[in-house]
Amino acid sequence: DAGVIQSPRHEVTEMGQEVTLRCKPISGHDYLFWYRQTMMRGLELLIYFNNNVPIDDSGMPEDRFSAKMPNASFSTLKIQPSEPRDSAVYFCASSFMNTEAFFGQGTRLTVV
Amino acid sequence: GENVEQHPSTLSVQEGDSAVIKCTYSDSASNYFPWYKQELGKRPQLIIDIRSNVGEKKDQRIAVTLNKTAKHFSLHITETQPEDSAVYFCAASREGTALIFGKGTTLSVSS
Repeated sequence: DAGVIQSPRHEVTEMGQEVTLRCKPISGHDYLFWYRQTMMRGLELLIYFNNNVPIDDSGMPEDRFSAKMPNASFSTLKIQPSEPRDSAVYFCASSFMNTEAFFGQGTRLTVV
Repeated sequence: GENVEQHPSTLSVQEGDSAVIKCTYSDSASNYFPWYKQELGKRPQLIIDIRSNVGEKKDQRIAVTLNKTAKHFSLHITETQPEDSAVYFCAASREGTALIFGKGTTLSVSS
């Protein structure tokens, strides 16, 4: 398996634009997590799914953020409208049951 | 929900010295405690983990200890090398939940 795959690797967008981040988890994994990493706040959990169902989205900062997992091999994190304070590295991770979480390479988002 | 505190935030050691990073957690039902290493510009990667039914685990120069009563766990790195320089994160979770991470420790090993 190629591991967790995220796209794009880098995204630069203007304030107010819609941003969509994509993730392909490892085949066979039943959990998918979205994290946001900043210097100030570290690795924050945004939302996670179990068998494609959202379990806990209490970490999603505002209604501007939404996430979907239409099937076991794909998830998206959308920000609309984007703001400069959303600039961060967004990681997707997947795991099988309560075991090691494997991280994707991350998407570095810059909102100007 | 779970809350994980990690100390220190930065740690500088000489090559060959030992390094210790400590974490505390709040949810007594947490039963999985991994440690991740993140090199600059890279993704976090698991280096060692421990479950609540074990008190200590070793893997070459790395060891983790867990004290369930006190709700704290520690990472020990012996004979540190320059390539150990990175950010280290502890995390905790219970069955069926997501990992909650500490804020990270930046370890610098100077030769």
